[in-house]
Amino acid sequence: QKEVEQDPGPLSVPEGAIVSLNCTYSNSAFQYFMWYRQYSRKGPELLMYTYSSGNKEDGRFTAQVDKSSKYISLFIRDSQPSDSATYLCAMNGANFGNEKLTFGTGTRLTIIP
Amino acid sequence: GAVVSQHPSRVICKSGTSVKIECRSLDFQATTMFWYRQFPKQSLMLMATSNEGSKATYEQGVEKDKFLINHASLTLSTLTVTSAHPEDSSFYICSQTSGGAPDTQYFGPGTRLTVL
Repeated sequence: QKEVEQDPGPLSVPEGAIVSLNCTYSNSAFQYFMWYRQYSRKGPELLMYTYSSGNKEDGRFTAQVDKSSKYISLFIRDSQPSDSATYLCAMNGANFGNEKLTFGTGTRLTIIP
Repeated sequence: GAVVSQHPSRVICKSGTSVKIECRSLDFQATTMFWYRQFPKQSLMLMATSNEGSKATYEQGVEKDKFLINHASLTLSTLTVTSAHPEDSSFYICSQTSGGAPDTQYFGPGTRLTVL
């Protein structure tokens, strides 16, 4: 079993819809949870991060973490064609200072105009 | 966020040759950089952790003699793929940590290696 599970998709939704992306994980030591967006043939771009359980909102993006269920989500409101990309969840523990990230496989998202 | 650059962005080489990829931190002194490999439609696989002034730490299954990493300064880490073969063709991406809390990572734009 992988430490982080993410549905690879592909996921296609019409423009303006709310998108829900999810990851589950098995390592209870994970404390920090990140979402990256990766366009084709580009490096991943950090969207947002969350510490422990809770919600965090940034513009059209909302990240949720439920540590009791080991489940994290990213919601995109009013989705735009420019949101079409691969979204990767990533996480690591509470040891600051260069701890490696564990990534999900990524979900390919397409927003249809 | 931190700015990371990579050079070259794309390289095509013959089988058996060596290829060097540079990763530069443009606005931050990174004591640690990470090297990843990504095959088409797959996630990032960590290859090694590069520490300035010391030997890199390689992930299980990654040949350290084939993938040579040098982190000679706080702003430059290099990955050399020695005696490259077609199965080494991949997208190589470096990253650096933010240096704060949390220890998020900022990625370079990647280098696409094609070995003929």
